[in-house]
Amino acid sequence: GQQVMQIPQYQHVQEGEDFTTYCNSSTTLSNIQWYKQRPGGHPVFLIQLVKSGEVKKQKRLTFQFGEAKKNSSLHITATQTTDVGTYFCAGRSGTSYGKLTFGQGTILTVHP
Amino acid sequence: DTEVTQTPKHLVMGMTNKKSLKCEQHMGHRAMYWYKQKAKKPPELMFVYSYEKLSINESVPSRFSPECPNSSLLNLHLHALQPEDSALYLCASSQDEDVFLYGYTFGSGTRLTVV
Repeated sequence: GQQVMQIPQYQHVQEGEDFTTYCNSSTTLSNIQWYKQRPGGHPVFLIQLVKSGEVKKQKRLTFQFGEAKKNSSLHITATQTTDVGTYFCAGRSGTSYGKLTFGQGTILTVHP
Repeated sequence: DTEVTQTPKHLVMGMTNKKSLKCEQHMGHRAMYWYKQKAKKPPELMFVYSYEKLSINESVPSRFSPECPNSSLLNLHLHALQPEDSALYLCASSQDEDVFLYGYTFGSGTRLTVV
C-alpha cells in the first residue's frame, strides 16, 4: 500500500533558526497536503500542492512538491516559539480516492 | 460556520459500556471521516462517508460502528472496547471525497480512555 515517510521525527531549534521537514512517498502522489498540530490540539490544514515542481509560500513557510510528485518539503525561515507543534504531510495517490495517508510527522521544538 | 464540532471532548468508559461520539459540521461538506490518533503518532483513517454513504472502512473492528444520519452529522458508536482503544478520536470533513481543494477540517477530537 501507499507509504509516506517523513523525516526527521524530532527537531529542536533555537528561535530564529530555520527548520525543514521532508516527505517521501513510495508511489506518485496526485496531491500532497500539510497540516500543523499544536500540542494538545488537532491537525489544522496549512496548504495543498498539486502540480509537479510547485512551490508555495505562506509568510515564513515555503512548501515544495517534487518534480516526480513523490516528495515534498516544508521550510520555515527564522522560527518563532509559535511554530512549535507537529507538522504532518499527507498524500493521496490516484488509486486511493478519499484516503489521505499521513506521514509520521515531525515534532518541532523551538527554544527561546 | 467553518468548524467541525465534536462531543464529548473527554470520555472515560468501561469495557462493557456502550457510548457514542458525535460530530457535526455546517459547511456543506459532503465527505466526513473518522480518524484515530495515538500519542506522538499520525492520524489513522478509520471510516470515510461520502454523500452519507460509507465508502471506506479500514478494516476497523466491529466494536466501532459508524453512522451518518444526515449530511451534517457523523456518529461513532462504541461497544465492548479494549484499553488499547484509548486514543484521540478525530472527526474531519472535506468538500467532497474526490476534491481536496481546501483540505480537511478537523474537529478538536474526543479523548477516549477505556478502563
